[in-house]
Amino acid sequence: QQQVKQSPQSLIVQKGGISIINCAYENTAFDYFPWYQQFPGKGPALLIAIRPDVSEKKEGRFTISFNKSAKQFSLHIMDSQPGDSATYFCAAAFNAGNNRKLIWGLGTSLAVNP
Amino acid sequence: NAGVMQNPRHLVRRRGQEARLRCSPMKGHSHVYWYRQLPEEGLKFMVYLQKENIIDESGMPKERFSAEFPKEGPSILRIQQVVRGDSAAYFCASSPAGDTQYFGPGTRLTVL
Repeated sequence: QQQVKQSPQSLIVQKGGISIINCAYENTAFDYFPWYQQFPGKGPALLIAIRPDVSEKKEGRFTISFNKSAKQFSLHIMDSQPGDSATYFCAAAFNAGNNRKLIWGLGTSLAVNP
Repeated sequence: NAGVMQNPRHLVRRRGQEARLRCSPMKGHSHVYWYRQLPEEGLKFMVYLQKENIIDESGMPKERFSAEFPKEGPSILRIQQVVRGDSAAYFCASSPAGDTQYFGPGTRLTVL
């Protein structure tokens, strides 16, 4: 199954709270898991990424937690700020023949209330 | 190092006209991807190209859509005989052949 299931579809969090977005997959050939952030009217931008040899990666207020056995990974945004309001996409990459292919989740619209 | 460039940023076409969307990848990147995004929806993969080659066009509609990435110059996504349903944001991304894709600002196509 070459799908990445992302949830929730939308999320509202109070300023200072923790935002959590989850993604699940079936294909064990996935070996790279990036998260992208997209602001309205802009292109997606890489936020943070992880490979399955580690269970957690932290960059500032953003953390990816990776559970290889459960085939799930999640993005945690600590101390969420109104400026974090955006759409977040998870993705997963694998080797497709001689090329790399990236499969995208459907996105989560995050709104952080002031 | 300039980012991925897309032009035009906004394009208005009447039904039946042709739309040409251009993408200049980041310097040193030989892999280009095109995506379509409808309002409030996710990214839909269209096509993956390397210089002079189409690697994966599994997301491209069979008719009216074509893409190229010539040896010299930008990648072009071409939509012939546009219809209202083609109205969307079209994003180009480039990669140096790794896993990270760098996106351009997109072209917003409106079909009247």
